[in-house]
This record gives sequence, C-alpha cells and structure tokens, in this order.
Amino acid sequence: AQSVTQLDSHVSVSEGTPVLLRCNYSSSYSPSLFWYVQHPNKGLQLLLKYTSAATLVKGINGFEAEFKKSETSFHLTKPSAHMSDAAEYFCVVSDRDTGRRALTFGSGTRLQVQP
Amino acid sequence: DTGVSQDPRHKITKRGQNVTFRCDPISEHNRLYWYRQTLGQGPEFLTYFQNEAQLEKSRLLSDRFSAERPKGSFSTLEIQRTEQGDSAMYLCASSLDGRAGGYTFGSGTRLTVV
Repeated sequence: AQSVTQLDSHVSVSEGTPVLLRCNYSSSYSPSLFWYVQHPNKGLQLLLKYTSAATLVKGINGFEAEFKKSETSFHLTKPSAHMSDAAEYFCVVSDRDTGRRALTFGSGTRLQVQP
Repeated sequence: DTGVSQDPRHKITKRGQNVTFRCDPISEHNRLYWYRQTLGQGPEFLTYFQNEAQLEKSRLLSDRFSAERPKGSFSTLEIQRTEQGDSAMYLCASSLDGRAGGYTFGSGTRLTVV
C-alpha cells in the first residue's frame, strides 16, 4: 500500500519569503508523486508531478519539488510567497503499480501568507 | 468542453433522504473517478469507471452508496438513506487511461445532511 504524510497541517509565511511544505511518502514501487492545490470553493489544481524522470520537478506559479528516494521525501518549495498562494496543498501518490491509478492524498497543509 | 462539471454545487438534505449527484467528465476522457473529502482531510478514493465499466467499488463506504456511468459519458453517485456522517464534499475527476498527472477534478458537490 502507498501513503503520504504531510508533516505540517498549517504553515504561515510572510509575503516575499520562501515556502517549504513537507511531504514524506511510503511506496513499495517507484512512485508517481504530485502536489495539488485547492483554493476555497474551487477544484483541485495540479501544481506539479514526478513520474521517474528528473528528480527536481518544476511546476506552475514558481513552485518546485525535489524527489529524494533516500529520504522518501517530496517537499514543495517556492522562493518567494505571494498572497495568492494562500490555499490548501495536498501531496499525492498514485498507485501506478495497479491498473486503477487512483490517487492517495495526504491530509493537507494550509498555507497562510501574511502581508 | 473546458473541464469536469459537477451538479449540484451544494445539496442540503434531511437525514434518511436519497440524493444523487452528477458528474460530466472531459469528453475524450475514458476514466472517471469519485472521491470524498471530509472537513480537514484530503480526498479519499471511492470508485472508478473505465468507459461504462465500474472496475472497482470496494472502497464505496457502504451499500448505501452506488455509482453508475451508463453510456460511458456522465456518471451519477447516489447515496440512499443519508446519514449525518455522509456530509462531505464529493469530487469527480476524469482522465485518459489513468495517465499519471492527467487527472482533471471538478469543483465538487458539497452535501450537508441535517
């Protein structure tokens, strides 16, 4: 079985400072990993994905994540937070070893950005 | 076709009533997934279809939950004899052959059982 653990339920940063959202995964296979963002009253939006190509993955809106197999981590970073980044972020693993390709979500990290 | 549509956006129902939600996926996507998201949690997988075939339903929360995709296009999720614990956001997503990162989620149906 595959799972992800988001290490912080809430993160608060000041606008213009770096963002770090932490995620550890557990998988018996080489995983596919994703970060999704959910703004209030809006659908889940894919930020970036790792599918066994480059370990440093660049996504939308300046976000990036690094896959570290030795640490079983897939942390999300952004050099400079913007007010519009305030949202709920989910680290996600796909069970690509089965045919269904269902997604397993972490419990989420709420990012607050202070002016 | 610009995305995955879900209807209604909000549903308030009395305990014991039946409710049905609809999902219209992206037209060329052959896979359709249902997820449930409770407050403060990430979405959890319920069931999925490839075309009209429901390939897994073991994760449906009880036998009160059922889903259909009769013509391989839109899908419905029905909850019979609703309970307060069914209050949640129900999300639909579609993809082409389950390709990694190829999911598109709808905005969800928020169910409140009173």
